[in-house]
Formats: sequence, C-alpha cells, structure tokens
Amino acid sequence: EAGVAQSPRYKIIEKRQSVAFWCNPISGHATLYWYQQILGQGPKLLIQFQNNGVVDDSQLPKDRFSAERLKGVDSTLKIQPAKLEDSAVYLCASSPWVVEAFFGQGTRLTVV
Amino acid sequence: DQQVKQNSPSLSVQEGRISILNCDYTNSMFDYFLWYKKYPAEGPTFLISISSIKDKNEDGRFTVFLNKSAKHLSLHIVPSQPGDSAVYFCAASAEGSQGNLIFGKGTKLSVKP
Repeated sequence: EAGVAQSPRYKIIEKRQSVAFWCNPISGHATLYWYQQILGQGPKLLIQFQNNGVVDDSQLPKDRFSAERLKGVDSTLKIQPAKLEDSAVYLCASSPWVVEAFFGQGTRLTVV
Repeated sequence: DQQVKQNSPSLSVQEGRISILNCDYTNSMFDYFLWYKKYPAEGPTFLISISSIKDKNEDGRFTVFLNKSAKHLSLHIVPSQPGDSAVYFCAASAEGSQGNLIFGKGTKLSVKP
C-alpha cells in the first residue's frame, strides 16, 4: 500500500512570498489532515477534511493560510504571504477512520 | 496551555533493558491515546494506541499503560533495541473531536548498544 505522498520535501522562500504544498493521501482514506510542526514541538493540527468538506479549521491562520481538497482526494495548503514564524515542517496525514492517522514525510519550509 | 505533556525531552537506555516513556494529560475529555515514533526527516509513524476503557494494551515489545485517575500514560519497550532510537510522541483525541490529535512535545529515546 502506497503511503501519504507530499511535495516538495524542502522549500526555502523569503518572507512575504507565497508557497504551496501538495498532498496525496492513501487511497480510500476519507479523512485528511494538515499539521504544522515547529522545531522542538509536537505536530499541531491546522485543518481537517472529511472527503472534500472541512471538519475543523479552528487553528488555521485564515488571514494567510488556505487549504482545499478538491474531489475529496488530493489537497493543497497555501501560505500567502509567509512570515518568519511559518518556518516549520508541514505534515499531511490521512485516515480511513477518525483517529489513527498515517503521516507523510512532510515538507520542511524555511522562511528567510 | 499544553493539554498533553511529555516532561522528559530525552531518555537514554542500554540495549536489552526496558524503556519507559511517560505522558501526562489535563483534558478529562480525552478518550483515545496514541503513541507515534518519528525518525529524522520522516513523518511520525503510528506505534500503538489505547482506548480510555482499557488500562493496558500490548503489541509485541510495546505496551501502553493508562492510569485515568492520574491522567497519565506510559509506553514500555522491552527489550529496547538500537533501532528504537527515535523521537516518541504521545497524542490524545477527545470524544467528539473527530480525530483531532493533540500531541506532546516528544521524548527523544537513545538506545545504546
């Protein structure tokens, strides 16, 4: 079974630029999550989708972050404009049921 | 306000001995707990979980214990192997949260040969 695919693996951008991350979940998984992991911290949920509907986006900084999951499969997370404090690893995860999530390798974002 | 706390940033254990990783939580609505293992440059990998209706769950060398009255859980690895060296995250989910996992900061386990 193929795992959760994410791209790119690494990204370096200047502050105020925009960036987008892509995630392809495990086939058949209805639930998709985006987590942000800042160095030295545990992952923090940004947004959760069930199929193509948003279940929880309460911790998503909506003034600069946006996410979509078209057709209930792939998802993209966008940051515009980026700030220095957005430097983190962005993890995508998917789940066939609500709790045990399977994570991708993540995208390491550095904002300079 | 940290709802899931892993107070030990690191732990060093000799190969073959027991590793005990601890986790405390504050939210009494948490009803499902998970442990994830993370190697450098990889995403977290699910290891073992436990429902709040149980006090123990075992899977091979890994056992998770839950003490609801103390709001404490622990992960035991016996015997520890060098390949177990990784960062271990404790995570919890609250009833009705639809899988929103709250993670601790992690404990870095080093198993020395």
